[in-house]
Amino acid sequence: ETGVTQTPRHLVMGMTNKKSLKCEQHLGHNAMYWYKQSAKKPLELMFVYSLEERVENNSVPSRFSPECPNSSHLFLHLHTLQPEDSALYLCASSQDPQANQPQHFGDGTRLSIL
Amino acid sequence: AQKITQTQPGMFVQEKEAVTLDCTYDTSDQSYGLFWYKQPSSGEMIFLIYQGSYDEQNATEGRYSLNFQKARKSANLVISASQLGDSAMYFCAMRGGYKLSFGAGTTVTVRA
Repeated sequence: ETGVTQTPRHLVMGMTNKKSLKCEQHLGHNAMYWYKQSAKKPLELMFVYSLEERVENNSVPSRFSPECPNSSHLFLHLHTLQPEDSALYLCASSQDPQANQPQHFGDGTRLSIL
Repeated sequence: AQKITQTQPGMFVQEKEAVTLDCTYDTSDQSYGLFWYKQPSSGEMIFLIYQGSYDEQNATEGRYSLNFQKARKSANLVISASQLGDSAMYFCAMRGGYKLSFGAGTTVTVRA
């Protein structure tokens, strides 16, 4: 069982749909992250949560809305997305967001916007 | 601001040979961490190795070693005895504050 689990693995949605991505970590970590990976671009940090509090919002459009109900779960709510939002969305967790410790990633959700 | 540069978009290596992946970085922080991740075609990001800025010895982890040259601001990854399963995208990353900044990545293809 992987330490960080993301669902769904693949998602196809129209621009007017509302959907949510889910991430769950089983590592007892205190920090969770959302990243976006577009084709031919480096990973872009979207949000950081530390102990369920959002500590970083990296200029992400409001059509992406994160939610962290507890330290083990992280959601990314999507609504009225654009075609350029098609990408691989990766969730990660770490023990401490400011310590030099590796982040552990999930397998990602591959999102396609029609 | 932090910047990670990986100048090799793709590399081919013969099975059982070693390969070096280049990574240079730019930061004004005195304390920082450098990481290498592997991303197979399946998409998951797999942590490989970590080097702290104050670590005096180069990090090693099995067949992975990090050639850390602080004065040159480089942190190259060396994969020894390449295997077919090493074919993947490799990312160098640096932590600054809450943020982990990634390079553009290098695609490694191992040939039999």
